[in-house]
Amino acid sequence: SQQGEEDPQALSIQEGENATMNCSYKTSINNLQWYRQNSGRGLVHLILIRSNEREKHSGRLRVTLDTSKKSSSLLITASRAADTASYFCATARFSGNTPLVFGKGTRLSVIA
Amino acid sequence: ETGVTQSPTHLIKTRGQQVTLRCSSQSGHNTVSWYQQALGQGPQFIFQYYREEENGRGNFPPRFSGLQFPNYSSELNVNALELDDSALYLCASSLEQGADGYTFGSGTRLTVV
Repeated sequence: SQQGEEDPQALSIQEGENATMNCSYKTSINNLQWYRQNSGRGLVHLILIRSNEREKHSGRLRVTLDTSKKSSSLLITASRAADTASYFCATARFSGNTPLVFGKGTRLSVIA
Repeated sequence: ETGVTQSPTHLIKTRGQQVTLRCSSQSGHNTVSWYQQALGQGPQFIFQYYREEENGRGNFPPRFSGLQFPNYSSELNVNALELDDSALYLCASSLEQGADGYTFGSGTRLTVV
């Protein structure tokens, strides 16, 4: 069963614009991770945010986590055509010995 | 340092057959997890191996089985294939059961006809 729900399901923007994707989840978590997937291939780990963190940055990525609302957002600034991919949030309930539970993903299209 | 390598990349099998998928984990990683991803869905957890022992399993029937070897590479075996087993199978490795995130392979696309 899916733990997370990404919103929107699909997003289309112009190159240079910012893209925001949201994720909601149901149970308490130890950490939340964001992954990118190009054309149905392997997942690329983008960023991990722990339950005691509220915001994290990595290059053009900014992730926020609100554990009271059980939600997270991923912001990609100054998007590029190469950012076109599906983005998934995944939650881990414990610090170890726990599977990742994925949402259905957001399909991002960046138009040059 | 190498990433996670999966083989084969594509596979077509007939219903009722058996299949073995292989995964070489990233150097230094002692944990391997397997996921099934149906078209248009997020990955679903199958099972995880830590130091050659299965230490977690998702909601998959016993005909899905696996192994982890002393070099931490892994196999996923599926017996009595069904049409619904058609999916992308992803292997992910990590250090110490995923405490800092996982490195995924490019997957094996299995088609059951």
